[in-house]
Amino acid sequence: SQKIEQNSEALNIQEGKTATLTCNYTNYSPAYLQWYRQDPGRGPVFLLLIRENEKEKRKERLKVTFDTTLKQSLFHITASQPADSATYLCASRSGGYQKVTFGTGTKLQVIP
Amino acid sequence: NAGVMQNPRHLVRRRGQEARLRCSPVKGHSHVYWYRQLPEEGLKFMVYLQKENIIDESGMPKERFSAEFPKEGPSILRIQQVVRGDSAAYFCASSQRQDQDTEAFFGQGTRLTVV
Repeated sequence: SQKIEQNSEALNIQEGKTATLTCNYTNYSPAYLQWYRQDPGRGPVFLLLIRENEKEKRKERLKVTFDTTLKQSLFHITASQPADSATYLCASRSGGYQKVTFGTGTKLQVIP
Repeated sequence: NAGVMQNPRHLVRRRGQEARLRCSPVKGHSHVYWYRQLPEEGLKFMVYLQKENIIDESGMPKERFSAEFPKEGPSILRIQQVVRGDSAAYFCASSQRQDQDTEAFFGQGTRLTVV
């Protein structure tokens, strides 16, 4: 079965810098990778989806890449702000519906 | 424009009791998904339902757990004879369609504590 691996250690960065989070998957290449944001005590909020045949996707200050050779997705937040502090979840999706496999998430702390 | 509503937000049950978790999807959404999040673990898919039908329950434990999404009313995740290991956050998500470009919206979750 698919396994999604994210760095469980928290990532601390200075405000204004670019945060880069890593997501690695094992086994087969998923049709899509999704990134979510989760704040403490809240449900995940969808951010971006990238398809297997897409190398890069952007949305405002967010950028996601998908490298099928490395079996990896990178999630970038440029010009980071303290409000970006949260846990970011990577998820793979292979079917037509929302049966996704989530990673454990990486906690990002942006320091003012 | 209400999002996915889950209640209760917090639920405490003694071992052996039943837990009933409710999920009202976004208005107009007919696809509902339940996930469980254990401490220090990722969200795990449990079940996918459409109105009155269970489409995929491959993530549901075989015993004590059941889910429904009736024609009228919220989706219900029911856990009978709860045990300590059932303590977790249970999230419901809904989507309007099931195709690849459809986004799923998550609720705030129900945090179940079994004492």
